[in-house]
Amino acid sequence: EPEVTQTPSHQVTQMGQEVILRCVPISNHLYFYWYRQILGQKVEFLVSFYNNEISEKSEIFDDQFSVERPDGSNFTLKIRSTKLEDSAMYFCASRTGRGNTEAFFGQGTRLTVV
Amino acid sequence: RKEVEQDPGPFNVPEGATVAFNCTYSNSASQSFFWYRQDCRKEPKLLMSVYSSGNEDGRFTAQLNRASQYISLLIRDSKLSDSATYLCVVSQGKLIFGTGTRLQVFP
Repeated sequence: EPEVTQTPSHQVTQMGQEVILRCVPISNHLYFYWYRQILGQKVEFLVSFYNNEISEKSEIFDDQFSVERPDGSNFTLKIRSTKLEDSAMYFCASRTGRGNTEAFFGQGTRLTVV
Repeated sequence: RKEVEQDPGPFNVPEGATVAFNCTYSNSASQSFFWYRQDCRKEPKLLMSVYSSGNEDGRFTAQLNRASQYISLLIRDSKLSDSATYLCVVSQGKLIFGTGTRLQVFP
């Protein structure tokens, strides 16, 4: 069964450092997303990506965040200068379309900022 | 008002019990509705889509009331393996998640 894969599964970084979280969406999917979940809290939308550009972003997705699809398969989330409050589980998701189509989630990257 | 509201629980029920979860959403322009399941420290996984006509998948029944902006999930004959957090999800292009309702089924 096709799946969304994320690397690394766990990343520890020092405050102020840049991190890149990587995702390989399912190959025939067209819509890509990043979500985050702070421990004990709800899953929060960060950004959606379609046709090689950002289609929507949340207030959380400020100038320190960026996304790229550099080679047609990988989908990356970069956090330029990490803060302690960026510590969370980051989930990548993909779908074939919008509307009533299932979003498939990767297993997540646990980011710990120290 | 929160975009998607759920009772956080926890709901502690014995095996075999029937349990119901409710959810309300604030944006009447929402297009699609889902229940996802999330196990501890794992990714959300689709349990079922929710349709206005109501839909059933084995022990699980989901209902949508667009007029009241209300979604429900009924689990019959609860199993130990049903213990998880159940996430009400509304699609407006992006998916918007509720806080989740935690279910613990005990023997």
